[in-house]
Amino acid sequence: QKEVEQDPGPLSVPEGAIVSLNCTYSNSAFQYFMWYRQYSRKGPELLMYTYSSGNKEDGRFTAQVDKSSKYISLFIRDSQPSDSATYLCAMSKYGNKLVFGAGTILRVKS
Amino acid sequence: EAGVVQSPRYKIIEKKQPVAFWCNPISGHNTLYWYLQNLGQGPELLIRYENEEAVDDSQLPKDRFSAERLKGVDSTLKIQPAELGDSAVYLCASSLSGQGEAFFGQGTRLTVV
Repeated sequence: QKEVEQDPGPLSVPEGAIVSLNCTYSNSAFQYFMWYRQYSRKGPELLMYTYSSGNKEDGRFTAQVDKSSKYISLFIRDSQPSDSATYLCAMSKYGNKLVFGAGTILRVKS
Repeated sequence: EAGVVQSPRYKIIEKKQPVAFWCNPISGHNTLYWYLQNLGQGPELLIRYENEEAVDDSQLPKDRFSAERLKGVDSTLKIQPAELGDSAVYLCASSLSGQGEAFFGQGTRLTVV
């Protein structure tokens, strides 16, 4: 079993929809939680960074961390075709490597 | 502020040939990572540096891969000899020490033929 599980999709939604992306993990020592967006043939771009549990909002993006359930989510409001990309969740312990999920492919149709 | 810079962006080599990738991290970032990303998968760590010291190289195939980070800034990752299975994207990232917030370069796409 992988440390971080993420549904690869693809997830296809109409423009304007609310998108929910999720990851589960097994290592309770993870403290830092991140979401990256990766366009084709580009490097991962950091979208959201959260320490420990709770919510964080940045524009159309909201990240949630539930450490008791070992579950993290990324919500995208008013999705746009430009949001079409692969979304990677990642997490780490202090002073340690990032462990990634496999990524979810998102397609937003205009 | 400049981000993480990697070169080359693309490289095509024949199997058994050597290849090297270069990374310049964000200024002031002590931690540097080299990740490997296969198609359809998330990045997997090859090696992590804290300043000049390789603190996690457990996933680096040391029979053919080597890395260095002289003076704790730039880093080079080398493969010698390359195998067909090494075809992948090699990503470099950097962060402040201990923090999970890592920033990635654009990657080097390696094709071994």
